[in-house]
Amino acid sequence: DTEVTQTPKHLVMGMTNKKSLKCEQHMGHRAMYWYKQKAKKPPELMFVYSYEKLSINESVPSRFSPECPNSSLLNLHLHALQPEDSALYLCASSLGQGSSGNTIYFGEGSWLTVV
Amino acid sequence: AQSVTQLGSHVSVSEGALVLLRCNYSSSVPPYLFWYVQYPNQGLQLLLKYTTGATLVKGINGFEAEFKKSETSFHLTKPSAHMSDAAEYFCAVSEVYGNKLVFGAGTILRVKS
Repeated sequence: DTEVTQTPKHLVMGMTNKKSLKCEQHMGHRAMYWYKQKAKKPPELMFVYSYEKLSINESVPSRFSPECPNSSLLNLHLHALQPEDSALYLCASSLGQGSSGNTIYFGEGSWLTVV
Repeated sequence: AQSVTQLGSHVSVSEGALVLLRCNYSSSVPPYLFWYVQYPNQGLQLLLKYTTGATLVKGINGFEAEFKKSETSFHLTKPSAHMSDAAEYFCAVSEVYGNKLVFGAGTILRVKS
């Protein structure tokens, strides 16, 4: 079962709100990722967690705060976002630390609209 | 640094015709190469990947791709297009020992009846 589950599928939030995106996988994967995808653009890597530790932060603004409570769960906490942060946020996971050769499995994404 | 170039942001083919989506990569080390498909309002689904070994890789839904090191290419083909193939296709590359998957800009495939 190659499934990455993301909730919510759609989220509308104001610029002063605090919200969270959630991601779950039960494939025994030890690497989890957050990607951001703007309309008509490819996904861009935001964060990588490897064995529940943050291993890559692609210079993402601090208004995005990732959290990996355990090996199956990945959260993205959102606070004081800007309208330009509206995008599809994709969670993904892979078997090992690197994406080198390991297939990265993506969830369906969470559509975020900041108003 | 790695990079991926997908030639043609939009490709249109007739149903039953050959599909050819082009991808060229740049990598300082032997790359791992991937093709993903994204249907409207959905996440990304892996079509196929090249790691090592056979350079002709077969994937799901009748797609295949050939790794050509001399041409730094990894073009995606399908002999006969189906209406359900209409989607956006992303080529991606990762370093052998890296954590990053770098995507091309994507190619939107339109299939005409």
